Amino acid sequence: DAGVTQSPTHLIKTRGQQVTLRCSPKSGHDTVSWYQQALGQGPQFIFQYYEEEERQRGNFPDRFSGHQFPNYSSELNVNALLLGDSALYLCASSLDSDVNQPQHFGDGTRLSIL
Amino acid sequence: AQKITQTQPGMFVQEKEAVTLDCTYDTSDPSYGLFWYKQPSSGEMIFLIYQGSYDQQNATEGRYSLNFQKARKSANLVISASQLGDSAMYFCAMRDLGGFQKLVFGTGTRLLVSP
Repeated sequence: DAGVTQSPTHLIKTRGQQVTLRCSPKSGHDTVSWYQQALGQGPQFIFQYYEEEERQRGNFPDRFSGHQFPNYSSELNVNALLLGDSALYLCASSLDSDVNQPQHFGDGTRLSIL
Repeated sequence: AQKITQTQPGMFVQEKEAVTLDCTYDTSDPSYGLFWYKQPSSGEMIFLIYQGSYDQQNATEGRYSLNFQKARKSANLVISASQLGDSAMYFCAMRDLGGFQKLVFGTGTRLLVSP
């Protein structure tokens, strides 16, 4: 049973570019959340997708956008990259109807902005 | 708004000893869940243990136990019989059980287990 998978593992971009990160949730999960983890910090919630809609968003600018597909996989897009966007981006999946179960995380995508 | 505070940036423990990692939280929600995750240097977040706000007993999972003191708003993680492989970052997190599944994390504690 595959867990949460994220791609790519590492990515290097320059300021002003755009990036797309991908996530496939754990089998049976229908909800995908994205987190940004800066070096030495705890993860910060970006947004959550359920039924192909963004239903909750953290304190991130509109440069951060996402999408969820009918198979529950998700993408995170970041436009006009800034140096401060350098971070580990974590995807987590869960089952919406099972509130007491933990979110399962992928290994993350390490994004470096030059 | 929910907030998690982890006041120990780093902790050291010898192999086979027990260690307690502190976590305090703040929330106005009556129903919430508390989680502990382990993050090795490779980056993945590994779920360790969960405690619901209405659970009467403290949660235990193998060598991990959660010392939940609701009145003090604390949810400390106890690791018994530490192993070298326990060296990692540990994050306390919480979420509102009545709403969506957004997790709020603390800043983490780095645990180093020495032989």
